[in-house]
Order: sequence, then C-alpha cells, then structure tokens
Amino acid sequence: GQQVMQIPQYQHVQEGEDFTTYCNSSTTLSNIQWYKQRPGGHPVFLIQLVKSGEVKKQKRLTFQFGEAKKNSSLHITATQTTDVGTYFCAGRFGNEKLTFGTGTRLTIIP
Amino acid sequence: KAGVTQTPRYLIKTRGQQVTLSCSPISGHRSVSWYQQTPGQGLQFLFEYFSETQRNKGNFPGRFSGRQFSNSRSEMNVSTLELGDSALYLCASSLGTGTTWGTDTQYFGPGTRLTVL
Repeated sequence: GQQVMQIPQYQHVQEGEDFTTYCNSSTTLSNIQWYKQRPGGHPVFLIQLVKSGEVKKQKRLTFQFGEAKKNSSLHITATQTTDVGTYFCAGRFGNEKLTFGTGTRLTIIP
Repeated sequence: KAGVTQTPRYLIKTRGQQVTLSCSPISGHRSVSWYQQTPGQGLQFLFEYFSETQRNKGNFPGRFSGRQFSNSRSEMNVSTLELGDSALYLCASSLGTGTTWGTDTQYFGPGTRLTVL
C-alpha cells in the first residue's frame, strides 16, 4: 500500500537549537497534515498543507509542502521544553484514508 | 464544544476474550476513524465510518470490526484477543461531509489503553 516515510525516528536537541523532521512519499499527495502528540497524550492537529510549494508558519514552527507534493517538512526554530513530543505527518492520497508517518520523537536537553 | 470522548480509558483483558470500545465524536461531526497505536508500528489506520457506513478500511484481520450509529457514535470490537492487540486505540472525528472531506482536520480522543494478558 501507499506509505509515508518520516525521518528521523528520534531527535535529541539542546534547548535553543533548531529541529527538523521530514516526510516523503513515493506518490503525489493531495494534502498533508501535521500532528503533535505530547507524552501520554493524543495527537493534536497542527496544520494542513494543500498547495504545491506551500509554506506556512506558526510562531517558531515552519511547515513546507514540496513542489511535487511528495514531501513535507516541519522546522522548529530555537526549541523550548514545551516542544517535547512526537510529531507526525499524515498524508492523503486522493480521497483515501489519511496515512500517518511513523513519527519523530523530539526530546529536549535543558 | 465538547471534544471527542472514548470509553473506557483503560481495559485489561485476557487472550481469547472480546472487547468493545466506544467513541463519541464532536457534535456535528459525522466521520469517525479508528487507529491502533503501538510503540513499534506507530499509528495504524483501522477503519473510517461516515453516516453509518464504512468508508475506508485498513489492513487488519476480520477480528477487528466496527460500526457507527445514527447519532455518529461509533464502536469498535475486537474478538478473540491476542497478546499483540495490546495498544492504545484512538478514535478521531471530523466533519467528513461534502467536497472538503478530503481536507478534514481530525480531532483525536484520549484513547483507550487495552492490555491483553
């Protein structure tokens, strides 16, 4: 079946450093969503990207959707301890179900 | 507006038993999706229901089934439990209607933590 690959699986950063997670698909996505799951919590919607080359920002978070709509990235500038959690991308192929990436678990070293 | 609720929150069962989990979506949402989350496999899609009909199905054995009621509440059932079914089962609701359903935001419930002994 169609898959969404996400890297890295884990990322440990010093507080204040930047963080990036990447998602890739072998086929074109109709849209991609990003979710954050805090430890012990449930996934919470962050943002959705629909257009080719789209870039959206939420404070220190920058989301990009590739020109070919096959890849996406989430970049966090100057990480804080509140950024701890697992970040998932979720892509949709046409009108099919949402396919989640494997997630990137971010830990912050104070 | 109340969020997605799932009951029970925790459940312990033994192998061979069956279990039923319940999900109440956000008021006005007509689509309910179920996911299994395990440390090794991440978030795996089980199925999606819309207007009491299964709209999408993941790659799980027939022991996993679900249904949706006219008030959009949904249940999932797992029969003949196996040790590997231990996981966090998440339900997510979305509007699910019209031409925008493909871009729907999913709102997750807190999950049901199932342990199979």
